[in-house]
Amino acid sequence: DIQMTQSPSSLSASVGDRVTITCRTSQSISTYLNWYQQKPGKAPNLLMYATSNLQSGVPSRFSGSGSGTYFTLTISSLQSEDFATYYCQQSYTTPYTFGQGTKLEIK
Amino acid sequence: EVQLVESGGGLVQPGGSLRLSCAASGFTVSSNYMNWVRQAPGKGLEWVSVIYSGGSTYYADSVKGRFTISRDNSKNTVYLQMSSLRSEDTAVYYCAAAGSSVAAASHWGQGTLVTVSA
Repeated sequence: DIQMTQSPSSLSASVGDRVTITCRTSQSISTYLNWYQQKPGKAPNLLMYATSNLQSGVPSRFSGSGSGTYFTLTISSLQSEDFATYYCQQSYTTPYTFGQGTKLEIK
Repeated sequence: EVQLVESGGGLVQPGGSLRLSCAASGFTVSSNYMNWVRQAPGKGLEWVSVIYSGGSTYYADSVKGRFTISRDNSKNTVYLQMSSLRSEDTAVYYCAAAGSSVAAASHWGQGTLVTVSA
């Protein structure tokens, strides 16, 4: 199985900050990397698919990059609604494993 | 509008069985990759199973041999039959639809809680 390692596990930031979350995989997955946002008590929401493609309706302050085994999700200027937990997921091969999550909190 | 509605969760004793349903509207389940993803209380997301548009099925090692994913095209519904349930299967179970190109789950249900306890 492909192992996913997200960092940091938690992050404290302020509105307007630029933040980056990283996701590393135990083997190359080309660009089959997706990012989800989850708020408490809600289902996850797809932000980014295939590394750098913004899902419809997602603000352009979100961006993604990477390939192979190293990927990043960047929020260029944090807004209050961005405080949530973020998960990466590989869809290169089953099992479609998730990272452990990054909780983004208000400083 | 695309909608996924899960049902069938509840309290079950260890060793018991339960069948979850995911009724879809606004799209056709047989044309998509339909996933089940679970989240134990206070924990992260865990991928459980997928049924591809062609009918192939795959499972996480943690549920292989105990869970079965299926679909009824006439009802546009996906199922997760769970048996030999363990306390560690306690979680909110989400149904999620993904397109076949990159298998990213773009539509999710609201989730249904399964509690395995004596």
